[in-house]
Amino acid sequence: EPEVTQTPSHQVTQMGQEVILRCVPISNHLYFYWYRQILGQKVEFLVSFYNNEISEKSEIFDDQFSVERPDGSNFTLKIRSTKLEDSAMYFCASTDVSYGTSVREQYFGPGTRLTVT
Amino acid sequence: LAKTTQPISMDSYEGQEVNITCSHNNIATNDYITWYQQFPSQGPRFIIQGYKTKVTNEVASLFIPADRKSSTLSLPRVSLSDTAVYYCLVGDFYTGGFKTIFGAGTRLFVKA
Repeated sequence: EPEVTQTPSHQVTQMGQEVILRCVPISNHLYFYWYRQILGQKVEFLVSFYNNEISEKSEIFDDQFSVERPDGSNFTLKIRSTKLEDSAMYFCASTDVSYGTSVREQYFGPGTRLTVT
Repeated sequence: LAKTTQPISMDSYEGQEVNITCSHNNIATNDYITWYQQFPSQGPRFIIQGYKTKVTNEVASLFIPADRKSSTLSLPRVSLSDTAVYYCLVGDFYTGGFKTIFGAGTRLFVKA
């Protein structure tokens, strides 16, 4: 079964450093998403992306965050200057929204655990 | 986006049927109801999606009354491995690029 992959599985960084989290969505999917989940809390939507531009973003997704699809397969989340409160699990997801697809499910990756020290 | 309300937690025993109800009083005409399951340190996993009446797949059933203001996820004969957090989501998923809002979810604990 096709799956979303994410790298690295765990990233440790110092406050103020830039990090890039990488995702490879399922190949024929067209919508991509980033979520975060602080330990013990709920999953929070960050951003959705379609046709090389942001479709929706949450209030969390401020100027410190950016997303990019640099090539035909990768989807990245960049945090420019990390803060302690950015420590969380970050999940990437993708959806097939092609015509005729009867179910709109998001396929989530295994996540990247970001620890900011 | 329609707000959802679910019980915070539920306990069950192996082999029992578990029903988790979600309230979504402000559901819109184009909204679908989707349930996800999440194990610790893993990404959410799709369980089932429906618009009205009843939907069944190999994992669960989803019951949606005519007014669509609530929905019930039914897990038949749960096992220990069904211990997880279950999320009910409501949204116009067919437009794509939607702002997906997860609530706090329901923590299901299955005991032997």
